[in-house]
Amino acid sequence: AQTVTQSQPEMSVQEAETVTLSCTYDTSESDYYLFWYKQPPSRQMILVIRQEAYKQQNATENRFSVNFQKAAKSFSLKISDSQLGDAAMYFCAYQGGSEKLVFGKGTKLTVNP
Amino acid sequence: DSGVTQTPKHLITATGQRVTLRCSPRSGDLSVYWYQQSLDQGLQFLIQYYNGEERAKGNILERFSAQQFPDLHSELNLSSLELGDSALYFCASSPRTIYSVDEQFFGPGTRLTVL
Repeated sequence: AQTVTQSQPEMSVQEAETVTLSCTYDTSESDYYLFWYKQPPSRQMILVIRQEAYKQQNATENRFSVNFQKAAKSFSLKISDSQLGDAAMYFCAYQGGSEKLVFGKGTKLTVNP
Repeated sequence: DSGVTQTPKHLITATGQRVTLRCSPRSGDLSVYWYQQSLDQGLQFLIQYYNGEERAKGNILERFSAQQFPDLHSELNLSSLELGDSALYFCASSPRTIYSVDEQFFGPGTRLTVL
């Protein structure tokens, strides 16, 4: 079974600074997708960024980028120029052939003004 | 707004009772997924339906059941409720079941409290 591990229960960053959230996963599949979801206090699950495992190029969405290391099974999220609105729980998720999402336990990000 | 609707937003009930959670997927989406978010278990996949048929099962208890109707809305039925069933229940939808990078769009969730 696939597993996703987020080793940082909590992180904090100063406004306008950069922060990196870590995620590792375990799978025997060769084709899969990885996602970062944001869950603000409203509890809505919002997709931040996604990465196809067959793509070598790291995904980027505005201030959000990933460092995808397939051999190491690592998928970290970098948030640049952090904003107060970035404060939330961040979940790393895996999607393989079964189509369901497997989530990590989450990282609570605090942004300090 | 993801386009996925869930009702009710909040539900408070007693142990031993039965409740039904409802989900309407985005227009045109054929796949519906149910997830449970609890403090101790985190976010867990429960069950998936595609165009009315059960597609995949996860860590869903026997006391729980679901179905997807011809109009594609889905219902999650929880019976003989226990305190530990208190959680946030999410429904998500995606366009198709073919293995792809189709994003799953999440509804706002139903907060279930069992007293």
